[in-house]
Formats: sequence, C-alpha cells, structure tokens
Amino acid sequence: EAGVTQSPTHLIKTRGQQATLRCSPISGHTSVYWYQQALGLGLQFLLWYDEGEERNRGNFPPRFSGRQFPNYSSELNVNALELEDSALYLCASSFGNQPQHFGDGTRLSIL
Amino acid sequence: ILNVEQSPQSLHVQEGDSTNFTCSFPSSNFYALHWYRWETAKSPEALFVMTLNGDEKKKGRISATLNTKEGYSYLYIKGSQPEDSATYLCAFRDNYGQNFVFGPGTRLSVLP
Repeated sequence: EAGVTQSPTHLIKTRGQQATLRCSPISGHTSVYWYQQALGLGLQFLLWYDEGEERNRGNFPPRFSGRQFPNYSSELNVNALELEDSALYLCASSFGNQPQHFGDGTRLSIL
Repeated sequence: ILNVEQSPQSLHVQEGDSTNFTCSFPSSNFYALHWYRWETAKSPEALFVMTLNGDEKKKGRISATLNTKEGYSYLYIKGSQPEDSATYLCAFRDNYGQNFVFGPGTRLSVLP
C-alpha cells in the first residue's frame, strides 16, 4: 500500500511569490490535513479537508488556502510569501477517526 | 482555543529505564486522543487512538492510559531502548469533529 506522498520535497521561493504544495493520500482515505512546523515550534494545524470540503482551518491568515480534488488529493497554496513561512509542511490522511498517516513533508524555504 | 499540553518538554533516560509522560487536554467535548511518535528525519507515526474513559492500549513496550473526566493521558515506555528516542505527540479531537489539536510534544532521549 502506497503511503501519503507529498511533492515537492523541497521548495525555494522569494518573498512575495506564491507556493503550491501537493499531497496524495492513502487509497481509501477521504480526509487530508495540513500542518506547519516552523523552526523550534510544534505541529501547527493549518487545514482539514474531507470529502472535497474544507472542514476546519487553523489560526493562519487567508493567504494560506487549499483545496481537495475528487480523487481526494489536495493542494496547499500560500500566497504573498513571507520569510516566516519558511517551515516544514506536513500532510496527513485518514479515514474517520482512524489515526492519521503522515507524508514526509515539503520543506519550504523563503529567501 | 483548545489547549493541549504535554510534560515534560524533554526527558533523558538511561537504556533500560522505564519512563512515562503526560498529555493534558480539555475534559469537555472529548471525542478521541491520539498518540504519535516522531523520530528525527522521519514523519510522525501513529501509536494509539483512544476513545473511552479508562482505555488502556499497549504496543510492545509502550502503553497508554486515558482519563477523559479529568483530561489526561499517560504514555509509558518500559525498558527504554535507544531506538525509542523520538518526540512523542498527543492530539486531541473534540466531539464536534472539527478540531484536532496537537500538543507540543515530549522529546525523549534514551542514552545507551
């Protein structure tokens, strides 16, 4: 069974640019979660998608957005990038209340 | 804002020692409590999903208990090994199903 896959592994952008991160969940999982781990901080919840709809979002500005496609894969978009957006972005998938399975993450660096 | 706390923040033990740490979460609107292990350079890995007050789960040398009335869960590691070194995260889910909040984690280092 293929795990959660994220792409790209690394992404380098400059301030003001836009970034798109992608996540493919485990087959059969309908929920996708996005988390940010900035340097020295824990996992911060960003977004939760289930069955194509946004179910909840964390305490992040609107320039963080995303969507979930009919095949349950998901995109995270970050507009107007700022230096403090540099972080590891983790995607996780699950079905119902089963544990979340995490991808290896995308490391976003803002220069 | 839901508050999930973990203590201690970090812990150093000798190989063979048994250890435990705590996750504190809101005692109202409880739905589930998850435990994850996060090793360096890897992604978090699920250990347990606990839903019932008084639940006890075990996986090898690792076990966990749950008290939803007072809002805490303990994770125990018996006979710690160097490969147990990781950050252990708990995550609280409320019964509205909309909030899933991770604690800051306990970083465990097991010294050989």
